Amino acid sequence: KAGVTQTPRYLIKTRGQQVTLSCSPISGHRSVSWYQQTPGQGLQFLFEYFSETQRNKGNFPGRFSGRQFSNSRSEMNVSTLELGDSALYLCASSLERGNGELFFGEGSRLTVL
Amino acid sequence: QKEVEQNSGPLSVPEGAIASLNCTYSDRGSQSFFWYRQYSGKSPELIMSIYSNGDKEDGRFTAQLNKASQYVSLLIRDSQPSDSATYLCAEGDNAGKSTFGDGTTLTVKP
Repeated sequence: KAGVTQTPRYLIKTRGQQVTLSCSPISGHRSVSWYQQTPGQGLQFLFEYFSETQRNKGNFPGRFSGRQFSNSRSEMNVSTLELGDSALYLCASSLERGNGELFFGEGSRLTVL
Repeated sequence: QKEVEQNSGPLSVPEGAIASLNCTYSDRGSQSFFWYRQYSGKSPELIMSIYSNGDKEDGRFTAQLNKASQYVSLLIRDSQPSDSATYLCAEGDNAGKSTFGDGTTLTVKP
C-alpha cells in the first residue's frame, strides 16, 4: 500500500510570494491533517480536513489555508510568505478523524528568502 | 491550551540497555496517546499508541500510561544503534488534532 505522498519535497520562495503544497493520503484514509515543524516550535497543528471540510484549525494566521478534494487529496496554501514560514510542512493521513494514529508523508521543506 | 512535556534530553544509553522516555500531559480528560519516532531528516513514524491505563507491549517497545498522574512513558528494551532517533510523544483528541511534545533525542552507543 502506498504511503502518504507530498509534493514538492523542496522549494525556495521569496518573501511576499505564495506557495501551494499537495498531499495524497493513504488509500482509504479519509482524514488529512497538516503540521508545521520548525526547530524552535516543534510540530504545530495547522488544520484537519475530513469529507472535504475543514474540521479543526490551529493557531495560525489566515495566510495559511487549505482544502480537500473528493478523492481525499489535500492542498495547503500559504500566501504572502514571511521569513518565519520557513519550515518542514508535514501532511498526515488517518483512517478516520479522531483516530489519532497519524501516518506522515516525507514533508515539503519550504525555504523563504 | 493543551500541553505535552517531554524530558528535554538528549538521552544516551549503551547498546543492549533499556531506554526510558517520559512524557506528561496537561489535559486530564485526554484519552489517546502516541509515540512517534523521527530519524534525522525524516518524517515522524508512529510506533506505539495507548489508550488505557497500564502497559502495552510491542516487541522491544513498551508504552505505559498512568492517567491519574497524567504520565506516559516508552521503554525500549535491548536498545540498538538503529533506535537512535528523536522520539515524540503526542496526545490526540476527537477533533482530529494531535498535540506533540518537543521530543527527546536518544542516542544508543555501540
